[in-house]
Amino acid sequence: GIQVEQSPPDLILQEGANSTLRCNFSDSVNNLQWFHQNPWGQLINLFYIPSGTKQNGRLSATTVATERYSLLYISSSQTTDSGVYFCAVERIGAGGFKTIFGAGTRLFVKA
Amino acid sequence: DTEVTQTPKHLVMGMTNKKSLKCEQHMGHRAMYWYKQKAKKPPELMFVYSYEKLSINESVPSRFSPECPNSSLLNLHLHALQPEDSALYLCASSQGQTRLNYGYTFGSGTRLTVV
Repeated sequence: GIQVEQSPPDLILQEGANSTLRCNFSDSVNNLQWFHQNPWGQLINLFYIPSGTKQNGRLSATTVATERYSLLYISSSQTTDSGVYFCAVERIGAGGFKTIFGAGTRLFVKA
Repeated sequence: DTEVTQTPKHLVMGMTNKKSLKCEQHMGHRAMYWYKQKAKKPPELMFVYSYEKLSINESVPSRFSPECPNSSLLNLHLHALQPEDSALYLCASSQGQTRLNYGYTFGSGTRLTVV
């Protein structure tokens, strides 16, 4: 089956720093989404981005589908950015839809 | 506040108990999902309902029984659980049958402890 790998697994930043999170996937996908899970467990949609580039405030994301990766950029990080960032891909095949989450990048932003 | 509401937020149950988790959304989404998430792991899909019909069961043990009474409600009935079933149970919804097509909306989860 399709493999989804996220890097780095853990990241510690000083408040105000910038960072790039990466998601690699082993086969073509129909959809890709980035999520942020806060320390209380709430999963928040960040971007639906099967291809191209999107920006939302201090966050932006780029997916290069032909090269099977996506990047999430966080600029001017804040302590509230702490949590786990998941990349999830969806592949439509003979068995129907299959959604696979990566293992996540655990981010801690220090004040 | 999330637009997908899950109750209860916390649940402690014994291995012989019967309990239910509830999920509600009023966004007109026609697909609803149950996910299980263990500590420091990604969410794992359990069940998918599309237009109130069960379309995906990811080989979940029968001690977990889903129910979709209508397009806004999703329940997960629990019976004879094991301590290893302790986890965060997340409900999600999306438009249509392509789950990531317009993005998931997740509830805040029920943190379940089986003693």
